[in-house]
Amino acid sequence: EEQLVESGGGLVQPGGSLRLSCAASGFTFSSYWMTWVRQAPGKGLEWVANMKQDGSETFYVDSVKGRFAISRDNAKNSLYLQMNDLRAEDTAVYYCARPSGNTMTGYPYWYFDLWGRGTLVTVSS
Amino acid sequence: DIVMTQSPDSLAVSLGERATINCRSSQSVFYSSNNKNYLAWYQQKPGQPPKMLFYWASTRESGVPDRFSGSGSGTDFTLTISSLQAEDVAVYYCQQYYYTPPITFGQGTRLEIK
Repeated sequence: EEQLVESGGGLVQPGGSLRLSCAASGFTFSSYWMTWVRQAPGKGLEWVANMKQDGSETFYVDSVKGRFAISRDNAKNSLYLQMNDLRAEDTAVYYCARPSGNTMTGYPYWYFDLWGRGTLVTVSS
Repeated sequence: DIVMTQSPDSLAVSLGERATINCRSSQSVFYSSNNKNYLAWYQQKPGQPPKMLFYWASTRESGVPDRFSGSGSGTDFTLTISSLQAEDVAVYYCQQYYYTPPITFGQGTRLEIK
């Protein structure tokens, strides 16, 4: 069974740091771009970051650029999100998601057919 | 950035009745080279992650009941549930994947039973 399992969330003070992990199983993790999406309490979905299969290319939403870093370890079938200088507005459930397989351009079609259950990050003093 | 706007924000429909959710993009998400609309729909039930229902605006994901349908082209799209079931209570999101990054979602439509 294809599965994504996030971990690492918790309560952190403003200005603090946290590292999220996403463990993938049941599919060839190294063949896929991967994505983080977040959802503030009671709010909608917000795309956060993408990473290419070999880690050579990344994209971020403007609000996290310079503060968050997406990474991966294909040997461990794992995706990470290092979050620094956290703010109250970063409070959210963070989901790991898999976009479709690669197209001939090397980029996927950015619809997400597999999601983890998410991990909650709360930024508060 | 492409702005996705859904209507209504919330909707209450009787069991067995039709439910219709609309999604409008601020720019066309139709790509004429492959004749496809770069639009997906997701269902999110309480306490669960999103689940993809449709991609390419109208291609149903495996396992999605056929009472669900997706339609539209260009900037205007519709998700229709032909006969509402109790298990369809959820928040529904549209998402464009034509102009990326950023990938953008609609604000969501909450569907309840009347």
